[in-house]
Amino acid sequence: GAGVSQTPSNKVTEKGKYVELRCDPISGHTALYWYRQSLGQGPEFLIYFQGTGAADDSGLPNDRFFAVRPEGSVSTLKIQRTERGDSAVYLCASSFSMNTEAFFGQGTRLTVV
Amino acid sequence: AQRVTQPEKLLSVFKGAPVELKCNYSYSGSPELFWYVQYSRQRLQLLLRHISRESIKGFTADLNKGETSFHLKKPFAQEEDSAMYYCALSGSGATNKLIFGTGTLLAVQP
Repeated sequence: GAGVSQTPSNKVTEKGKYVELRCDPISGHTALYWYRQSLGQGPEFLIYFQGTGAADDSGLPNDRFFAVRPEGSVSTLKIQRTERGDSAVYLCASSFSMNTEAFFGQGTRLTVV
Repeated sequence: AQRVTQPEKLLSVFKGAPVELKCNYSYSGSPELFWYVQYSRQRLQLLLRHISRESIKGFTADLNKGETSFHLKKPFAQEEDSAMYYCALSGSGATNKLIFGTGTLLAVQP
């Protein structure tokens, strides 16, 4: 596909469990971003990758959240010991470079019960 | 503090009426301002950015540094404009590290 792909589209997990959310960026895009959107809010920045490295992880809320992009393409957002407050839509975006338009995926809706 | 404020959660207008979606920001420095749109069941997408000074789908937005505003305007609303609109800003050199407002739902009635 031509767009940013996120899987799964929906994830329901129990409090305390570990989850992984996947993002497939547009081919050739070196920059990748994760955002979190809680109900009734705008997206909130979590982390930005340039290539394989996390260039800015200042938005990660605490050390339960971690993201990787080992080969500079697919990225995985990992959440340990999930809490009900982690319930949100997690958005991924990619861009050719940090100064060009970012294209968003459809998001993963995470529900922690 | 860096912040984007969209005071209206919902704006309802009739087709053909003018539209103004309000956005105010707080940022120390020279931010770049954006409007993003999300149509029903579609992904978030860029509508316009202030440095482009373009009109997209009939929408325009002017950056007013004195009033720290970036209101989105369209002279004649169409039903297909119904969507969620988010104003966002980024600091210089970090274009896609965005701070978003809470969004305004525009409903254009026939």
